[in-house]
Amino acid sequence: EVKLEESGGGLVQPGGSGRLSCAASGFFFSSFSMIWVRQAPGKGLEWVSFIGSRGSTIYYADSVRGRFTISRDDAKNSLYLQMTSLRAEDTAVYYCAKMGQELWFGNYSTGAMDVWGHGTTVTVSS
Amino acid sequence: EIVLTQSPGTLSLSPGERVTLSCRASQSISSSYVAWYQQKIGQAPRLLMSATSRRATGIPDRFSGRGAGTDFTLTISRLEPEDFAVYYCQQYGLSPWTFGQGTKVEMK
Repeated sequence: EVKLEESGGGLVQPGGSGRLSCAASGFFFSSFSMIWVRQAPGKGLEWVSFIGSRGSTIYYADSVRGRFTISRDDAKNSLYLQMTSLRAEDTAVYYCAKMGQELWFGNYSTGAMDVWGHGTTVTVSS
Repeated sequence: EIVLTQSPGTLSLSPGERVTLSCRASQSISSSYVAWYQQKIGQAPRLLMSATSRRATGIPDRFSGRGAGTDFTLTISRLEPEDFAVYYCQQYGLSPWTFGQGTKVEMK
C-alpha cells in the first residue's frame, strides 16, 4: 500500500521553530518529487515547498521562502520541513504529497499530487 | 503565477443530479496539466483527475474532466451521497503550482 504519514505538528509560539516529517512507504521514494501543501483553518490549499527526486531542485512559496527548509532522506524514505520564524499565519494543516511523473525537467519530474498524507496540524500562538 | 478561479463557490444539489464545476486560469496552461481534487471534511485531498481528463485510480466514471487553454471543467454525471465535498482544481504545468479556491458541493 502506498502511504504517506506526517508527524511533528503541534503548538508553537510566534517566532519559534518546528520540524515536520513525512514517512513514505509502498513506493520507490527516491524516484519521485515531493511537495508540502498546507491548509489554514477554513481556507483552501496552498503549496509550500517542492523538492525534486534526489533533492537537486527545490522551490518555496514566497510566503515561506527564507524561513522554511525542505529536505529529504532517501535512505529513510522520509521528507522533512524545517520551519523557523513561525508566524500566526503559518497555522495550518500541513500535508505531504507525492507528485506523479508527467513532466520531466532534466533530473526530476513533476505531476499531479497522487498520494497525500493525512496531515499534521501546526498552530502558531502564544 | 497562474491564478485559478473556480465557480461557483457553492452548489446546493440533490443526489442524482448532474453538476459541472468550472476552473478558469489567468493564462493558458501548457499541455492541459490540470488536476482536480476532492476533499471531505476532516480528510486529506484526494486526486480525482490529472492531465485534465485522466481519472485517477479507483475514481468512478461518473467523474469526467475536459478543457484546454484557460478553461477547464469537472463534471459529475450523477451525484452520489459520497460526492458531497469540496473540489479544487490545480495547475502543475508551471511553478508555482497553484490551486483554485475550491467549489463546495453541498446537499440541498
